[in-house]
Amino acid sequence: GAVVSQHPSRVICKSGTSVKIECRSLDFQATTMFWYRQFPKKSLMLMATSNEGSKATYEQGVEKDKFLINHASLTLSTLTVTSAHPEDSSFYICSAPMGNYGYTFGSGTRLTVV
Amino acid sequence: AQSVSQHNHHVILSEAASLELGCNYSYGGTVNLFWYVQYPGQHLQLLLKYFSGDPLVKGIKGFEAEFIKSKFSFNLRKPSVQWSDTAEYFCAMKASGGYNKLIFGAGTRLAVHP
Repeated sequence: GAVVSQHPSRVICKSGTSVKIECRSLDFQATTMFWYRQFPKKSLMLMATSNEGSKATYEQGVEKDKFLINHASLTLSTLTVTSAHPEDSSFYICSAPMGNYGYTFGSGTRLTVV
Repeated sequence: AQSVSQHNHHVILSEAASLELGCNYSYGGTVNLFWYVQYPGQHLQLLLKYFSGDPLVKGIKGFEAEFIKSKFSFNLRKPSVQWSDTAEYFCAMKASGGYNKLIFGAGTRLAVHP
């Protein structure tokens, strides 16, 4: 089945640094990738939608300059958390739509900012 | 605004008990509906989905859900739960014209005791 590979699975970084999270579609072309954030014991909040070759669409309240999204190819979408702060610590998940199947999800990245 | 509501935030059951988790959505048009499960430490897995046709949908692991359009509901059911069903369950909706984005409910944490 279609797989989205997400890396890294865990990352710890210092405040003020930037972290890049990658999602690769392994056996299909993902023209669209959704990026979610999941707070502890909470649901998934859609942050933005990335589209190959065009600017990402951000949900209301999500800082574009803080969460940089790039979708440069049909198999790779990246989320960069810039100047990370402890409040950015969270679980980040990517997801690609799969037509009638629904959606395939990455395994998630747990970001801890210290 | 499009939204998904899950009324039960935390459910505790004994093994062999029956399960019903509520899910209501807010949208006046055509929707696709999903139930996902997230086992501890794992990523989201699709339990079942409704796109069209028979409103009673059967999924994996003995789960089923019924789409009742008049009630804007898509409740998840299982006649007899097992300890291994302990997980977090998320109802999600894709609205027509919603650019494929998936909107999640807050989730229901299910704990099954032996």
